[in-house]
Amino acid sequence: DAGVIQSPRHEVTEMGQEVTLRCKPISGHNSLFWYRQTMMRGLELLIYFNNNVPIDDSGMPEDRFSAKMPNASFSTLKIQPSEPRDSAVYFCASSLMGQATYEQYFGPGTRLTVT
Amino acid sequence: QQQVKQSPQSLIVQKGGISIINCAYENTAFDYFPWYQQFPGKGPALLIAIRPDVSEKKEGRFTISFNKSAKQFSLHIMDSQPGDSATYFCAANTGNQFYFGTGTSLTVIP
Repeated sequence: DAGVIQSPRHEVTEMGQEVTLRCKPISGHNSLFWYRQTMMRGLELLIYFNNNVPIDDSGMPEDRFSAKMPNASFSTLKIQPSEPRDSAVYFCASSLMGQATYEQYFGPGTRLTVT
Repeated sequence: QQQVKQSPQSLIVQKGGISIINCAYENTAFDYFPWYQQFPGKGPALLIAIRPDVSEKKEGRFTISFNKSAKQFSLHIMDSQPGDSATYFCAANTGNQFYFGTGTSLTVIP
């Protein structure tokens, strides 16, 4: 299995531009998570999907952030408009909920820089 | 509110020494306590995990000690090696709730 796939790996954009991050979870997994990692705030859960349905989006910082999961094999995290404070590494993770463990498998991350 | 508190923020250990990272939680509903290891430029990866019905779990040089009454758990790395240098995150889960600690940067000096 290729693991969780994220694209792009690096994104540099100017303030005000729209940014779309993409994630392909591990085949067969039914849960998907978007995290943001910064030095100041550590690893923060932004939103969590189960069976393609958003379960908890309380971590989404504001309306500029939106996430979708149109099918079991694809999810996007969109920031519009982007701001310099959005600069961070964004991780996608997937899991097979319903098992005895909650192990999450993380992708390699997307490093976003907003200038 | 920080659901899982992790310490220390950074740790430097000599090769062959013992590395100890501590975490504390408040929510007694948590029923799964994993530790993740993250190398620079990579995503976190599950290292070892424990459930609250046992007090200790060991996998190779890595051991989790769990104190349910104190609501604390810790990661012990025995015979620490330079290759263990990474950031370690504790976490606590239950149902739809997932919380990570702030991370500990471990450096093992040769």
